[in-house]
Amino acid sequence: NAGVMQNPRHLVRRRGQEARLRCSPMKGHSHVYWYRQLPEEGLKFMVYLQKENIIDESGMPKERFSAEFPKEGPSILRIQQVVRGDSAAYFCASSPGGTGRWETQYFGPGTRLLVL
Amino acid sequence: SQQGEEDPQALSIQEGENATMNCSYKTSINNLQWYRQNSGRGLVHLILIRSNEREKHSGRLRVTLDTSKKSSSLLITASRAADTASYFCATPNAGGTSYGKLTFGQGTILTVHP
Repeated sequence: NAGVMQNPRHLVRRRGQEARLRCSPMKGHSHVYWYRQLPEEGLKFMVYLQKENIIDESGMPKERFSAEFPKEGPSILRIQQVVRGDSAAYFCASSPGGTGRWETQYFGPGTRLLVL
Repeated sequence: SQQGEEDPQALSIQEGENATMNCSYKTSINNLQWYRQNSGRGLVHLILIRSNEREKHSGRLRVTLDTSKKSSSLLITASRAADTASYFCATPNAGGTSYGKLTFGQGTILTVHP
């Protein structure tokens, strides 16, 4: 049973380009969470999705950032027109969902985005 | 200050010693979780303690929770060099539709010297 998969592991973009980060949850998990970690800091929640639905995007910047979790395929975090301040590690986590089963989140290895 | 703050920020010990990290939080919680992050890697879930529990053990880990003080501690006994990592406490959103959202503290960087 593979864990949470994220790709790419490292991504370099120039200012103004687009970054697309992918996350495949663990098998059987229907809930996906994205977190961002700036250097020397803890993780900050960005968005919580279930299949085809955004449940909570209170941590997402209002502009340039979007996320989706389609019926088929991985969850995508998209950052348009990247700026240097977007450089960070982006982690995806998944959980099974359902009452009492949402509590433990399983994290992927992260995508480290560097904006030049 | 934010939910889930750990102290100390950094801890350096010798192999074989015990390491204790503390976490404080502000709002009421359903549970509190501890995660480990090795340098440049993802997070690994260590242990979850529910609000009606006071202490929990898992191998060399011992977690306590004091809801009256809104604090938790993580004790690693007989530390090993491989325990070198950052340790985070996290609390889930207390209610509403987004109860899965975790709020993380800033973390404690633990260094265990061989």
